[in-house]
Amino acid sequence: QKEVEQDPGPLSVPEGAIVSLNCTYSNSAFQYFMWYRQYSRKGPELLMYTYSSGNKEDGRFTAQVDKSSKYISLFIRDSQPSDSATYLCAMSARDNYGQNFVFGPGTRLSVLP
Amino acid sequence: DVKVTQSSRYLVKRTGEKVFLECVQDMDHENMFWYRQDPGLGLRLIYFSYDVKMKEKGDIPEGYSVSREKKERFSLILESASTNQTSMYLCASSFFGQEVSSNQPQHFGDGTRLSIL
Repeated sequence: QKEVEQDPGPLSVPEGAIVSLNCTYSNSAFQYFMWYRQYSRKGPELLMYTYSSGNKEDGRFTAQVDKSSKYISLFIRDSQPSDSATYLCAMSARDNYGQNFVFGPGTRLSVLP
Repeated sequence: DVKVTQSSRYLVKRTGEKVFLECVQDMDHENMFWYRQDPGLGLRLIYFSYDVKMKEKGDIPEGYSVSREKKERFSLILESASTNQTSMYLCASSFFGQEVSSNQPQHFGDGTRLSIL
């Protein structure tokens, strides 16, 4: 079993739809949870960052963490064509040197006008 | 805003050349990372550094080395470039605090698309 599982898509939705992106993980030591957006030929851009369980909202984006189920989600409301990108989930845990980051493979999202 | 700058967006080199990829961050972060990203394989960690002159191997260090002489700069070196090292290379940095809740996520540069001919 991979440490982080994420459906690679591609996922196509019409403009204005609510998008749900999900990741599951196996390591219960993860404490920090992130979502990145990556446009073609660019580096990943941090969208959301949460520490431990719960919800966090930022504009049209909501990140949800359920540590008991080892499941995290990113919701995008009123999706726009500019949201078309690859979305990477990431998790980290502290070790002696710093943080150990693990990334999902990414979900390709297309929002159709 | 955190800024991670990679010296080149696109680079073309020949097999056997020694290749240097440079990365600079402006936020005094302790941790710096080099990844490569390939279609279908996702992000794979090559090396990371948790302090000046300190380095640790990641998942795929073979054929690579790194240098961190100053806190803000982390260099990736391809000792003798080969065609299977053609890839997108991404540098990242993050803050590592003493308090558990003070840790911060990674911030990435825009990547260097390296082609080895």
